[in-house]
Parts: sequence; structure tokens; C-alpha cells
Amino acid sequence: DAGVIQSPRHEVTEMGQEVTLRCKPISGHNSLFWYRQTMMRGLELLIYFNNNVPIDDSGMPEDRFSAKMPNASFSTLKIQPSEPRDSAVYFCASSFVLGYEQYFGPGTRLTVT
Amino acid sequence: DQQVKQNSPSLSVQEGRISILNCDYTNSMFDYFLWYKKYPAEGPTFLISISSIKDKNEDGRFTVFLNKSAKHLSLHIVPSQPGDSAVYFCAASAIKGNKLVFGAGTILRVKS
Repeated sequence: DAGVIQSPRHEVTEMGQEVTLRCKPISGHNSLFWYRQTMMRGLELLIYFNNNVPIDDSGMPEDRFSAKMPNASFSTLKIQPSEPRDSAVYFCASSFVLGYEQYFGPGTRLTVT
Repeated sequence: DQQVKQNSPSLSVQEGRISILNCDYTNSMFDYFLWYKKYPAEGPTFLISISSIKDKNEDGRFTVFLNKSAKHLSLHIVPSQPGDSAVYFCAASAIKGNKLVFGAGTILRVKS
């Protein structure tokens, strides 16, 4: 079984550019989560969806961040414009039932110069 | 407002001995608890969980203990192996369709 798939694995971009991170959850999972991990703040939940509907986006740091889930098998996290402080590892995770174990993707390491 | 706390940033244990990782929580609504393991350059991997109706759950070398009155849980790894060296995250949720809240993580180093 394929796990959670994220692309790209690494992204280097210049400040001001738009960045789009992609995620394919495990088939059959109804909930999808976007996290950011940094040394300073650890693992932060940015936003999560249940049945493709955004439930809680209170962790999204600024209006520069947006996330969509157009269907059950695909989600994007977009940063526009990107800033150096957005540099982090971004994880996508999915779960079969909200509140139970989540399965994480390998992450996207974003570097904004 | 840290609802899930892992107060030990790191732990070093000799191979073959027991590793004990601790986690405290403040939200009395939490009733489902999980441990995740994370290797560098990989996503966190689900390890073991426990519901609040239990006080112990065991899976091979891994056992999680829950003390609801103290709002404390621990993960025991026996015997510890070098491959267990990783960052361990504690997480909790209030079931009824709620999100997981993660602790800051504890780095475990198992020395051979």
C-alpha cells in the first residue's frame, strides 16, 4: 500500500516567489492535515480537512498561506509570497477517522532564500 | 498554551536497557493518546496508542502506560536497540472528531 505522498521532497526558492506543496493522502482516509516543523516551534498543525472540507485553519500563520482540497485524493498548500522565515519541513498526514492515528508523508523541505 | 508536554528534550540509554519516555497533559478532555517515532529526513511514524479506558497497552518491545489521575503517560522500550534512536513525539486527542495535539518531542539515543 502506498503511504501519504508528498511532492516535491525539496524546494528552494527566492523570497517573493509562490510555492505550492502537494499531497496525496492514503486512499480511503477521510481526514488530511498539514503540519510545519521548525527547530523553534516543533511540529505545528497548520490546517486540517475532514471529507475535503477545511475544519480548522487557526494554525495558518498568515494570509500568505492557503490550502485547498479539491477532492479526496489531493491537497495543496500554497505560500504566496514566500519569505525566508517560511523555511521549514512541511508534512502532510492523513487518517481514516478524525482524532485517531495519523499517517505522515515524508515531508517537503522548503528553503526560501 | 502547551497542552501536551514532553519535559525531557533528550534521553541517552545503553543498548539492552529500558528506555522510559514521559509525557504530561493538561486537558482533561483528552481520552486518546499516541506515540510517534521520527527518524531524520522522514515523517513521523505511528508507534502505539492507548485509550483512556485502559492503563496499559503493549506491542512487542513497546508498552505505553497511562495514569489519568496524574495526567501522565509514558512509553517503555525494552530492550532498547540502537535502531530505536529517534525523536519520539507524544500526542493526544479528545475523540469526537478532534485533532491531535503533539508534544515537542524527546530525542532518544541508544548507545551500543
